[in-house]
Amino acid sequence: AQSVTQLDSQVPVFEEAPVELRCNYSSSVSVYLFWYVQYPNQGLQLLLKYLSGSTLVKGINGFEAEFNKSQTSFHLRKPSVHISDTAEYFCAVTQGGATNKLIFGTGTLLAVQP
Amino acid sequence: GAVVSQHPSRVICKSGTSVKIECRSLDFQATTMFWYRQFPKQSLMLMATSNEGSKATYEQGVEKDKFLINHASLTLSTLTVTSAHPEDSSFYICSARGRSYEQYFGPGTRLTVT
Repeated sequence: AQSVTQLDSQVPVFEEAPVELRCNYSSSVSVYLFWYVQYPNQGLQLLLKYLSGSTLVKGINGFEAEFNKSQTSFHLRKPSVHISDTAEYFCAVTQGGATNKLIFGTGTLLAVQP
Repeated sequence: GAVVSQHPSRVICKSGTSVKIECRSLDFQATTMFWYRQFPKQSLMLMATSNEGSKATYEQGVEKDKFLINHASLTLSTLTVTSAHPEDSSFYICSARGRSYEQYFGPGTRLTVT
């Protein structure tokens, strides 16, 4: 069975500082990986995804993530955060296939302080 | 592109009544749609997977008679919460899968049962 672990429930950071949100997954087969962002009382917006190819994936809003198969990780990074980046971030994994179920991590609240 | 809408965005109903939530893919055809439930400050919990023209597949522990799902067309899926009770109050989010493994999420529906 697949699972996703986001060890940090909350990450406080000052504006313009770099940030890394950690995500580790477990799966016995190849997977596809995603990061989503959720603002209060809203649905999820896709930040970036890894399906295949280059392990460094660039997404929207200046975010990027690196797929590391040996470490089974897909950490999300941004070199300089803004107040507007304050939100909940979810890492998700799917095996693909007909049903394409997404397995979500528990989320990390990124709290950007001035 | 790839916009998913939900209606209503908020609904308040009395205990014992039924509530219908609509999920529409506005600019693409979705053979598969998913329904999630999210409690405050928690991750998304998959309730069911809905394929157009066939019965929904429910996750373990989700009552199929209480949460009725209909996927009548390639752009519309509905979730009906029957005989709602206060414990059904939650944030319900749908997603739709396009041609790739990516899921596009709706903005969510806040259900409050009084």
